[in-house]
Amino acid sequence: KAGVTQTPRYLIKTRGQQVTLSCSPISGHRSVSWYQQTPGQGLQFLFEYFSETQRNKGNFPGRFSGRQFSNSRSEMNVSTLELGDSALYLCASSLQQVGGGNYGYTFGSGTRLTVV
Amino acid sequence: AQSVAQPEDQVNVAEGNPLTVKCTYSVSGNPYLFWYVQYPNRGLQFLLKYITGDNLVKGSYGFEAEFNKSQTSFHLKKPSALVSDSALYFCAVRDNNDYKLSFGAGTTVTVRA
Repeated sequence: KAGVTQTPRYLIKTRGQQVTLSCSPISGHRSVSWYQQTPGQGLQFLFEYFSETQRNKGNFPGRFSGRQFSNSRSEMNVSTLELGDSALYLCASSLQQVGGGNYGYTFGSGTRLTVV
Repeated sequence: AQSVAQPEDQVNVAEGNPLTVKCTYSVSGNPYLFWYVQYPNRGLQFLLKYITGDNLVKGSYGFEAEFNKSQTSFHLKKPSALVSDSALYFCAVRDNNDYKLSFGAGTTVTVRA
């Protein structure tokens, strides 16, 4: 079956612009999480969505936002881009249910965002 | 709060020798533990996970990990390393009441021929 699809793979933006990244989870997965990976901070959790509801949010400024659609596809948006937002943004999908349980997380290949 | 520590930035081994990548964790509830591998310019590839049950977990590509509750550790092991195992390895933990993974800083493994 198809894996987690993230688009675009690479993106170059200018400071002050905004950007939208897309993630299509594995079919049947209703949970989508987003992570930022940078050399200095490592992998940091941004937010997690389940059935269009944000269940958890990391310590990022309000410029970072996301949403999930009824087909479980998710987008994240970063407004007023800063140089420090340059990173690899990873999306993960999971069979996580409302009641908990432990299912694996499958990651996409990521979107490499460069802010100039 | 949950956290993961990978005490070694780098691990160097010769091909054919055993490989160990260390990980310790801290969670308030029952831990769900994961190991992922990342190759350059790629996403994270799942290796194995611990939910409950046997402390020795077997995963992909010949990797295994041992869960030790008293030492709060989850070290990744491979009996005989390959050059192709050279990559960046991440340990992650999730609390059973949370919906996020907390990752360690990562360990770069280099296997020399």
